[in-house]
Amino acid sequence: DTAVSQTPKYLVTQMGNDKSIKCEQNLGHDTMYWYKQDSKKFLKIMFSYNNKELIINETVPNRFSPKSPDKAHLNLHINSLELGDSAVYFCASSQVVLHYYNEQFFGPGTRLTVL
Amino acid sequence: GEDVEQSLFLSVREGDSSVINCTYTDSSSTYLYWYKQEPGAGLQLLTYIFSNMDMKQDQRLTVLLNKKDKHLSLRIADTQTGDSAIYFCAESLSGYSTLTFGKGTMLLVSP
Repeated sequence: DTAVSQTPKYLVTQMGNDKSIKCEQNLGHDTMYWYKQDSKKFLKIMFSYNNKELIINETVPNRFSPKSPDKAHLNLHINSLELGDSAVYFCASSQVVLHYYNEQFFGPGTRLTVL
Repeated sequence: GEDVEQSLFLSVREGDSSVINCTYTDSSSTYLYWYKQEPGAGLQLLTYIFSNMDMKQDQRLTVLLNKKDKHLSLRIADTQTGDSAIYFCAESLSGYSTLTFGKGTMLLVSP
């Protein structure tokens, strides 16, 4: 069984469109994340949700809006897509335990290409 | 502020040892991690070390932590072509539920 799954795996779209990426985890974790990995492979945290509540919101344009309908899902909606949004987006989940051990489990990524 | 630095590229021959280095700035790190990213895939935890340890060994992997210099290293013994990937160093800080990742080191293993 896939622990953290994302759909779609590839997304090609035109500038100005609105798109969503879905993420689901079946690990029973209480915290989920969205990361952006650029063409140089640099990984940057975008959002973090704990028990459906936003706890981290890095400097991300407000065109990006995460939505967590329940603990197992964290979707990312992007409005008015721009060329610079092209990247690989990773969802991750974790259960932060004692002493802040935080093993994050990553999804396979969604490669977004904006034309 | 927190910052994690890594060299970006390492090339070795199959059978050699690889050493990937990482430096961090925040002394309140509680755990430090090494993640591996294979082409076209997400990151996967390889190993981790608690901040009160100096060394951890796990089969071909050896993690060394020098808290004084804020330096972390990952040694892979008998490196194989299947070890070719990007390796990310990361830290978790006391009081925060997120990880801070380095920029990743691309390891290329040639036959």
